[in-house]
Amino acid sequence: TQLLEQSPQFLSIQEGENLTVYCNSSSVFSSLQWYRQEPGEGPVLLVTVVTGGEVKKLKRLTFQFGDARKDSSLHITAAQPGDTGLYLCAGLDSNYQLIWGAGTKLIIKP
Amino acid sequence: SAVISQKPSRDICQRGTSLTIQCQVDSQVTMMFWYRQQPGQSLTLIATANQGSEATYESGFVIDKFPISRPNLTFSTLTVSNLSPEDSSIYLCSVPQGTGRYYGYTFGSGTRLTVV
Repeated sequence: TQLLEQSPQFLSIQEGENLTVYCNSSSVFSSLQWYRQEPGEGPVLLVTVVTGGEVKKLKRLTFQFGDARKDSSLHITAAQPGDTGLYLCAGLDSNYQLIWGAGTKLIIKP
Repeated sequence: SAVISQKPSRDICQRGTSLTIQCQVDSQVTMMFWYRQQPGQSLTLIATANQGSEATYESGFVIDKFPISRPNLTFSTLTVSNLSPEDSSIYLCSVPQGTGRYYGYTFGSGTRLTVV
């Protein structure tokens, strides 16, 4: 059974601080997706990374795919209350199955 | 990317009854997916719905409990039958978005089901 371990599970920080969320696996993924979900809404796709070592930036969010395509990180610079939400990573395996991480609940306090 | 309208957004149902959830997509899509999610937790795939064929269910989910219809390329329903409190959860539909290798999924806004 493939697993995608996501950490931390919960993070509460002050506005303006930086943070990093990790997704790790022993399996190789053809691509990895990051989503943010707010209460009462479905997950919203933030980014897809497909190449080992790939880095993508979305304003204050930086996503990186590991060189071996087994792990990924999401770094948020100068977090704002609007970043609050559940962050989910999901990897696409060789059978085109989407493997989901357990999620990171992020709270940014003003 | 596609826009999905999912209804109802929430419902409270008596045990033993059924709830049917609808998802309408603003464009034609071959595959639609149905998920279950406990609040604040990860997603579990229930089934993949293809137009013109029976849905493909994941391990632990059966057609009698979760019948799915897919009458055309823009619409699908998921019914949760013979409800019990353990069925209380958020149910979501999704469709692929994007092209090539850089693709992901668009989700409906979810249906929060409470069984009493």
